[in-house]
Amino acid sequence: DVKVTQSSRYLVKRTGEKVFLECVQDMDHENMFWYRQDPGLGLRLIYFSYDVKMKEKGDIPEGYSVSREKKERFSLILESASTNQTSMYLCATSAFVETQYFGPGTRLLVL
Amino acid sequence: AQSVTQLGSHVSVSEGALVLLRCNYSSSVPPYLFWYVQYPNQGLQLLLKYTTGATLVKGINGFEAEFKKSETSFHLTKPSAHMSDAAEYFCAVSDFGTGGFKTIFGAGTRLFVKA
Repeated sequence: DVKVTQSSRYLVKRTGEKVFLECVQDMDHENMFWYRQDPGLGLRLIYFSYDVKMKEKGDIPEGYSVSREKKERFSLILESASTNQTSMYLCATSAFVETQYFGPGTRLLVL
Repeated sequence: AQSVTQLGSHVSVSEGALVLLRCNYSSSVPPYLFWYVQYPNQGLQLLLKYTTGATLVKGINGFEAEFKKSETSFHLTKPSAHMSDAAEYFCAVSDFGTGGFKTIFGAGTRLFVKA
């Protein structure tokens, strides 16, 4: 079974803090994704990566950056957290265009 | 450009009744279509997918969906609802565009099952 783990299930941060969310997968998949999930909006793609050190902007990249130094690890960085970044963050991985496998999510609250 | 519309943000059925969750999509090329389910406090997991071939696709937990190209639909059904089916369901479409392959998710439909 594919396993996708996220560093935290719940996180509380203050406005202006730098926040790191980490995602690790054990299936040697090329593609990794970061989404945010908000009620009524479904999943929105923040960034994705199709190879080590490669990254592409998704639909809502503003206020976020990513890092992929190793194939199995994809990090999402909130440079200066704001209250409108309070959300559920989901990491996913896939081999090419096939099924995406999701981690359990990180629920982030920014105060 | 791709888009996915799920009709109804909330659907309520009685235990044992038919489940029908609607999904319509737009895509300029033949799409890959997916249904994912999300149980409380968990990530999404695949229910079923259509890539090519047979248009009626069977998934886990008794769910199935039919790809109807003429109607641009991929509705999810289950003949008899169970309490454990209560969850949020997401329809998704993947296709190749000018920026490579891309997946778009619908807004989700929360299914409630009444005893």
